[in-house]
Amino acid sequence: EDQVTQSPEALRLQEGESSSLNCSYTVSGLRGLFWYRQDPGKGPEFLFTLYSAGEEKEKERLKATLTKKESFLHITAPKPEDSATYLCAVQAGNQFYFGTGTSLTVIP
Amino acid sequence: DVKVTQSSRYLVKRTGEKVFLECVQDMDHENMFWYRQDPGLGLRLIYFSYDVKMKEKGDIPEGYSVSREKKERFSLILESASTNQTSMYLCASSLNRNSPLHFGNGTRLTVT
Repeated sequence: EDQVTQSPEALRLQEGESSSLNCSYTVSGLRGLFWYRQDPGKGPEFLFTLYSAGEEKEKERLKATLTKKESFLHITAPKPEDSATYLCAVQAGNQFYFGTGTSLTVIP
Repeated sequence: DVKVTQSSRYLVKRTGEKVFLECVQDMDHENMFWYRQDPGLGLRLIYFSYDVKMKEKGDIPEGYSVSREKKERFSLILESASTNQTSMYLCASSLNRNSPLHFGNGTRLTVT
């Protein structure tokens, strides 16, 4: 069964304390892996697409990496404004499979 | 930037009412999707469309229908609203089948 699992469910960091969020997947025929940021009461905002193992993408304090079984979203020196829920999605065939997200809180 | 606009941010409807949720995208995207998002369940696909007048069922289509008469507009219809349809509804679009989804800001629907 195709599945996407994100961990941890929730993460609290001090400002400046770097960490990583995990997205592991079991799908056949991966076409792409996507990271989104979602603020409370809003729709998910697209961050990155990764297509193949070994690929990396960066945007400000965020860096996404991909292996054959999982992806990591590394957050370097986070700020309070990075607080949000981060969603991972995998495309296999024409279907998108979403994880349930990691809720990140960055404390000043 | 892609802009996906959902007509209402909040809606309160009564059980049995017919409910229309509207979504418009401004980037000439081929594909449009309707999801609902519930705590602990994540995003679940209701319906999607790869072309005008075309629609396909997602994972949870029961109780819903859709309409896509124009490329930029995708409507979700709750034929007879029920309390278990209280949820956050998210519309998304993508340029083609190899592109990421871009989401609107959602409609929080409460059925009483």
